[in-house]
Amino acid sequence: DTGVSQDPRHKITKRGQNVTFRCDPISEHNRLYWYRQTLGQGPEFLTYFQNEAQLEKSRLLSDRFSAERPKGSFSTLEIQRTEQGDSAMYLCASSFRLAAPYEQYFGPGTRLTVT
Amino acid sequence: AQSVTQLDSHVSVSEGTPVLLRCNYSSSYSPSLFWYVQHPNKGLQLLLKYTSAATLVKGINGFEAEFKKSETSFHLTKPSAHMSDAAEYFCVVSDWTGGGADGLTFGKGTHLIIQP
Repeated sequence: DTGVSQDPRHKITKRGQNVTFRCDPISEHNRLYWYRQTLGQGPEFLTYFQNEAQLEKSRLLSDRFSAERPKGSFSTLEIQRTEQGDSAMYLCASSFRLAAPYEQYFGPGTRLTVT
Repeated sequence: AQSVTQLDSHVSVSEGTPVLLRCNYSSSYSPSLFWYVQHPNKGLQLLLKYTSAATLVKGINGFEAEFKKSETSFHLTKPSAHMSDAAEYFCVVSDWTGGGADGLTFGKGTHLIIQP
C-alpha cells in the first residue's frame, strides 16, 4: 500500500491558462474523490468516481472544472481558463466500497497558485 | 443536508494537559462521523470514526471521541497533550444513504496549539 499520490505537488500558472492535475489512488480502491481546500477552510467536496463512472459532478464549481477517470484507475482534474479565485489546494482521496462508512484516504494535495 | 460546526477555530493547551475539540453536526440521516488531522505540508490523516456501533470511539495517538445523539455532538478529547499533536483538526460528517453523493462534509477546522 503506497498511499494516494498526486502530481504535481505545486503548480503556478497565469490567469487564463488551463491546468491538469493527476491522482493515483490506492490500487484496490474503486472510489476516487476530488476536494478543494482554500486557506483557513476545510476541504470542499467536488466530485467522485466509482470505477470509471462519475457518479456526482453537480458540486464542481463551474463548467471550467472537469474530471475524468478513463480506465477506473488514475484520475485527472482539469481547470480551464484559470482565475485567481481558483488558487487553492486540490485534494484527492480514495476508498473501497465494501460497506459504509466509506473511509477515505487522502493524498498530499496539489497546491495551485494562479497569478 | 448535512453540516458540521467546529466551535473553536483555535485551541491552545499546555503540554501534558487535556485536549477538548468541540464539534456539532447536523444530518438528515444516521450519520457517520470522523475526525481527521492535518499536519503542515502533510495529507489528511484519519484519527477515528463513528459508525453507529459504540458511542465512545477510540482512535490513534490516544484520541477519543464520544457520539451524543441528543446533543448532536462529537467532541474529540485526549487526556494528555503532546507537542506532536499541534496540527489542524477537522470534524467530518458523511450521510450514507446507500446512494447518491457520499462526499464528506468538513468543518472549518480547529487549530490546536501546544504550549511547552
